[in-house]
Amino acid sequence: NAGVTQTPKFRILKIGQSMTLQCTQDMNHNYMYWYRQDPGMGLKLIYYSVGAGITDKGEVPNGYNVSRSTTEDFPLRLELAAPSQTSVYFCASSPAGGLASTDTQYFGPGTRLTVL
Amino acid sequence: DAKTTQPNSMESNEEEPVHLPCNHSTISGTDYIHWYRQLPSQGPEYVIHGLTSNVNNRMASLAIAEDRKSSTLILHRATLRDAAVYYCILRDPYQSFGNEKLTFGTGTRLTIIP
Repeated sequence: NAGVTQTPKFRILKIGQSMTLQCTQDMNHNYMYWYRQDPGMGLKLIYYSVGAGITDKGEVPNGYNVSRSTTEDFPLRLELAAPSQTSVYFCASSPAGGLASTDTQYFGPGTRLTVL
Repeated sequence: DAKTTQPNSMESNEEEPVHLPCNHSTISGTDYIHWYRQLPSQGPEYVIHGLTSNVNNRMASLAIAEDRKSSTLILHRATLRDAAVYYCILRDPYQSFGNEKLTFGTGTRLTIIP
């Protein structure tokens, strides 16, 4: 299994441009997540999905959109990129078959985004 | 959410045991204690979790205080590959359905000295 894969690894955007960060998992997990990590900080949740067709906002959703048309894919869309969106973006997935308290999240390698 | 407090950084010699502390004085009776770590330029990875009893797995051990207000992640024989940021996270099983996010603090940056 490849686990959670993310593309691209790096990207530089100009202010106002848009892009989609791709995330795919091959573990048949129901739950998927997008986090961002600013320098020296912990991760913050942007959006999450509990299954195909179902998404919801996390702590910092402004400026982002998501969709979940399949179990495997959970793309993150940035519209009108701003310097404040310069960050490292991590996608994660979890089976969520049991209690939230014991579920393990599996993370991708991240996408490093710079907005200039 | 109940909060955790960890030292910003720690150092340890290679092949020595490492004890990483975490304080969680406001932990509820049903919160699980999870540890994740983040190696340089990688996504976080799960290390271990527990509720009341001490736990062991192939990566580490988790020692939980009797009053559950603190816990310690133990790496029995640190290697250079263990240099990472270690996060102690509390997870509430009674969170709203679907709201199963991990709340990351700033963690402890562990440096291993060769």
